[in-house]
Amino acid sequence: RKEVEQDPGPFNVPEGATVAFNCTYSNSASQSFFWYRQDCRKEPKLLMSVYSSGNEDGRFTAQLNRASQYISLLIRDSKLSDSATYLCVVNVRTGGFKTIFGAGTRLFVKA
Amino acid sequence: GAGVSQSPSNKVTEKGKDVELRCDPISGHTALYWYRQSLGQGLEFLIYFQGNSAPDKSGLPSDRFSAERTGGSVSTLTIQRTQQEDSAVYLCASTIVRGAVGETQYFGPGTRLLVL
Repeated sequence: RKEVEQDPGPFNVPEGATVAFNCTYSNSASQSFFWYRQDCRKEPKLLMSVYSSGNEDGRFTAQLNRASQYISLLIRDSKLSDSATYLCVVNVRTGGFKTIFGAGTRLFVKA
Repeated sequence: GAGVSQSPSNKVTEKGKDVELRCDPISGHTALYWYRQSLGQGLEFLIYFQGNSAPDKSGLPSDRFSAERTGGSVSTLTIQRTQQEDSAVYLCASTIVRGAVGETQYFGPGTRLLVL
């Protein structure tokens, strides 16, 4: 079993739709959680950190469920420019931190 | 401030040749990661540096791959006797640890390697 698992998709949604991605992690020593975005032929970029209480940044909402060991990303009012691969990232406390990337979920937003 | 830079941005080489890829991390970032990404695939962890030492080399695919970091800054990834399956984008990320919050990775634009 992979340490961080994501549905690879692709998710094909129309503009204006709401779409949600889930990610599960297996290591209970996981400390911090992030969502990254990767555009085609570009490097990954930090989208948002995920806090225990959940957090929102404009159209994006991230939630963490430690008991069930999953995190989610909700995108409201999807835009064409949201088309990308969304990477779930987990920091595992190992003395220092070990960072583990999920394989990503591909999103296509269509006009 | 300047982000992570990598050079060259593109490299075409012949099978059997050696290549050297360079990463300049963000100033002050103590940790540095190398990843490989093949077309349409996820990130493949290669090696991690904390300062100049590499506590985790578990991802290096073979002994043809090596990396070093000097002065706690610039890192080079060397691939000897390149093979066609080495063709990929090689990404470098530098990180800052924010106390108990964890580490946030900042990526360079990558080096696209094509082995003919």
